[in-house]
Amino acid sequence: AQSVTQLDSQVPVFEEAPVELRCNYSSSVSVYLFWYVQYPNQGLQLLLKYLSGSTLVESINGFEAEFNKSQTSFHLRKPSVHISDTAEYFCAVSRFYGGATNKLIFGTGTLLAVQP
Amino acid sequence: NAGVTQTPKFRILKIGQSMTLQCTQDMNHNYMYWYRQDPGMGLKLIYYSVGAGITDKGEVPNGYNVSRSTTEDFPLRLELAAPSQTSVYFCASSQTGTGGEEQFFGPGTRLTVL
Repeated sequence: AQSVTQLDSQVPVFEEAPVELRCNYSSSVSVYLFWYVQYPNQGLQLLLKYLSGSTLVESINGFEAEFNKSQTSFHLRKPSVHISDTAEYFCAVSRFYGGATNKLIFGTGTLLAVQP
Repeated sequence: NAGVTQTPKFRILKIGQSMTLQCTQDMNHNYMYWYRQDPGMGLKLIYYSVGAGITDKGEVPNGYNVSRSTTEDFPLRLELAAPSQTSVYFCASSQTGTGGEEQFFGPGTRLTVL
């Protein structure tokens, strides 16, 4: 069975500081990995995803995540955060069940609170 | 495109009442999903559908029912509301179900059962 662990429920950080949100997963087979972001009072939006190929993936707003198979991690980073990055971030994993519908397994989320 | 829309945005129910949460998508996606989000628990899949007329249970289906008569609509029914069903409910859709595709989420329905 797959599972996703986000150890940090909340990460406070000052504006323009770097941040890392941690995500570890467990799976005995190859997986697809995702980061979704939820701004206050909104639904989730895809931030970035890893399917295959280069282990470093980037979003259009400066976030990046690196797939590390040996450590089963997919940590999210940004070198300099803005107030507008304040949101809850969810790591998720899925895989193809060979004909059965893929299902997303979500972590419990990390609230990124950017302070001025 | 409106994407995925959900109604109502908020609702308060009494124990034992029933209601239907509406979900509509205009992207012609075959796959649709219902999730519930509880504080500190992430999102849990309630039901999903791979196309009109086909639905299946997710991780936490007890107390809920769904139907999918059209590609666009995927309503979620609560028959006998219980306090444990107090949650935020999200509907989502995707073009395929093979694993690497993006799921598009609606804005959510916040339900309180008293």
